[in-house]
Amino acid sequence: LAKTTQPISMDSYEGQEVNITCSHNNIATNDYITWYQQFPSQGPRFIIQGYKTKVTNEVASLFIPADRKSSTLSLPRVSLSDTAVYYCLVARGTGANNLFFGTGTRLTVIP
Amino acid sequence: EPEVTQTPSHQVTQMGQEVILRCVPISNHLYFYWYRQILGQKVEFLVSFYNNEISEKSEIFDDQFSVERPDGSNFTLKIRSTKLEDSAMYFCASTPRRGTNTGELFFGEGSRLTVL
Repeated sequence: LAKTTQPISMDSYEGQEVNITCSHNNIATNDYITWYQQFPSQGPRFIIQGYKTKVTNEVASLFIPADRKSSTLSLPRVSLSDTAVYYCLVARGTGANNLFFGTGTRLTVIP
Repeated sequence: EPEVTQTPSHQVTQMGQEVILRCVPISNHLYFYWYRQILGQKVEFLVSFYNNEISEKSEIFDDQFSVERPDGSNFTLKIRSTKLEDSAMYFCASTPRRGTNTGELFFGEGSRLTVL
């Protein structure tokens, strides 16, 4: 599985847009890029998944350039409740659903 | 909204004791997983389970660990003889489909295991 690299931590003020970039240089053709959110003492929660270009849902947008070696999770107008750890994962497109979590990015939203 | 439920939320046990963590996956899901997270560390894959057998397991999932789906609803993780280093949050997850390009894993809230 491709290794992912993302910033260890980020701070943002409430109401700002937050962009978290993840690099995955060794991504394979069948791999999908998936982002999860985790609050303290809770299980990870799926945010968004994409293969290429742009994906948007009610929570976030995911931007993936043509070479797919990186991706950017965009959270619009963050609030205090968005303070959490955000994980970028490269998930195998076939086979068992084994997600391998890295250390994630700890986002702190400041009032 | 359907959710994965786990019990107990917290269990304290003595080293060497057996522990069973229970999970009720979402009812129409077919693939089940256990992950663990030692305090302050990464979420680590333990095992995946489909059609009443283990699909894949990690190096962490040694002979002390076992999983079972004893009935149509429960999915259990057993640790036969707990060690101090088994202290962690254990997460159960499920999904209806095979292949992570087709959707998300649904995680439970976790069971915190403390081994003394």
